[in-house]
Amino acid sequence: DSGVTQTPKHLITATGQRVTLRCSPRSGDLSVYWYQQSLDQGLQFLIQYYNGEERAKGNILERFSAQQFPDLHSELNLSSLELGDSALYFCASSGTGTNYGYTFGSGTRLTVV
Amino acid sequence: GNSVTQMEGPVTLSEEAFLTINCTYTATGYPSLFWYVQYPGEGLQLLLKATKADDKGSNKGFEATYRKETTSFHLEKGSVQVSDSAVYFCALREGGSYIPTFGRGTSLIVHP
Repeated sequence: DSGVTQTPKHLITATGQRVTLRCSPRSGDLSVYWYQQSLDQGLQFLIQYYNGEERAKGNILERFSAQQFPDLHSELNLSSLELGDSALYFCASSGTGTNYGYTFGSGTRLTVV
Repeated sequence: GNSVTQMEGPVTLSEEAFLTINCTYTATGYPSLFWYVQYPGEGLQLLLKATKADDKGSNKGFEATYRKETTSFHLEKGSVQVSDSAVYFCALREGGSYIPTFGRGTSLIVHP
């Protein structure tokens, strides 16, 4: 157990639908990062939150949004889903400073049919 | 901007062979460097790290040395096992940005 909890582990949904992925960071970590991993694109950074505030944005589509709540858990919302959104979605958390590595959750596998 | 380049995989080895996975980076400052490992069906796990030039990170028989002069952080292991089969990611993180830059990953397959 890495200390980062992601739910659900698997999700199958139809095109056009909306889903919410949840992440609880490791205890004490204020930063949460969301990544998308697909075979053709590799590991793509989506968005970062730090202590409830958006800190950085990567290759996140407008159909996707995220937030971090006062208890530091985060949710990634994916809407108007397309077949191409099928991927593994990872959450990671970290402490402050560049010396801290990331702790990743085990991911949510999203399949859009 | 920052970038990380890893050797293309898959790397296929027999058990007890020597492993090298090359990683080079481009950064504007003085990054910290990391290797992560992803076993099938799991998330990425931090394998080792180095925070300054000439530092050697090591863990589970793997090691990598931060070479500033060649901007490299090659991963090595003297004798691989079947259980080392996984995807290995090189990454850097710089003070000016909290966003790590990952390489594309290198798949390692170890045969008995």
